[in-house]
Amino acid sequence: DAKTTQPTSMDCAEGRAANLPCNHSTISGNEYVYWYRQIHSQGPQYIIHGLKNNETNEMASLIITEDRKSSTLILPHATLRDTAVYYCIVRPGVLRTYKYIFGTGTRLKVLA
Amino acid sequence: NAGVTQTPKFQVLKTGQSMTLQCAQDMNHNSMYWYRQDPGMGLRLIYYSASEGTTDKGEVPNGYNVSRLNKREFSLRLESAAPSQTSVYFCASSEGSGGSGANVLTFGAGSRLTVL
Repeated sequence: DAKTTQPTSMDCAEGRAANLPCNHSTISGNEYVYWYRQIHSQGPQYIIHGLKNNETNEMASLIITEDRKSSTLILPHATLRDTAVYYCIVRPGVLRTYKYIFGTGTRLKVLA
Repeated sequence: NAGVTQTPKFQVLKTGQSMTLQCAQDMNHNSMYWYRQDPGMGLRLIYYSASEGTTDKGEVPNGYNVSRLNKREFSLRLESAAPSQTSVYFCASSEGSGGSGANVLTFGAGSRLTVL
């Protein structure tokens, strides 16, 4: 299983873009990058996932480098409600794999 | 659509007592999971069930048992609770049937367990 490395914490000004990096240098060709966030002590919430193309949905954008060894989650206009712990995980997307391992994530604080 | 429902939300036990955490999902998902989260830590996988009738150990299975009662329900049992099992427990489910969205997890709200 590919391992991910994320900064422990980051701050972002409200209204600005929050760019959360993730390194996954050992990612395999069939592994997707998934992002989740956990607000306070709620259950984690799925944000977005991608394989090699950049992806965008109503919550965020995911930029994956051409070599796929790193990615960036972008929250385009961060609000105070985006303060959370953000987890980057790499897993096969189309195969039936079940050991979905979370690390300690990045604690994002959005500042007023 | 309720998603993933966990009961109870809070529980206090004495050392040595037993209890079962219940989890049910209404999304017709094949796979279900139990995680624990200690204060200031990430989530650790306890057990998972790839499909109805199967269960497998995760990272931290010791002290726990699970039952996949049917496709909807996956319970976690502590036979003899210990203070080290004080944690927040999260149940999750995923479609698990193929396609790039197959491994997207939907989580419950959590069950906060304190063992004295």
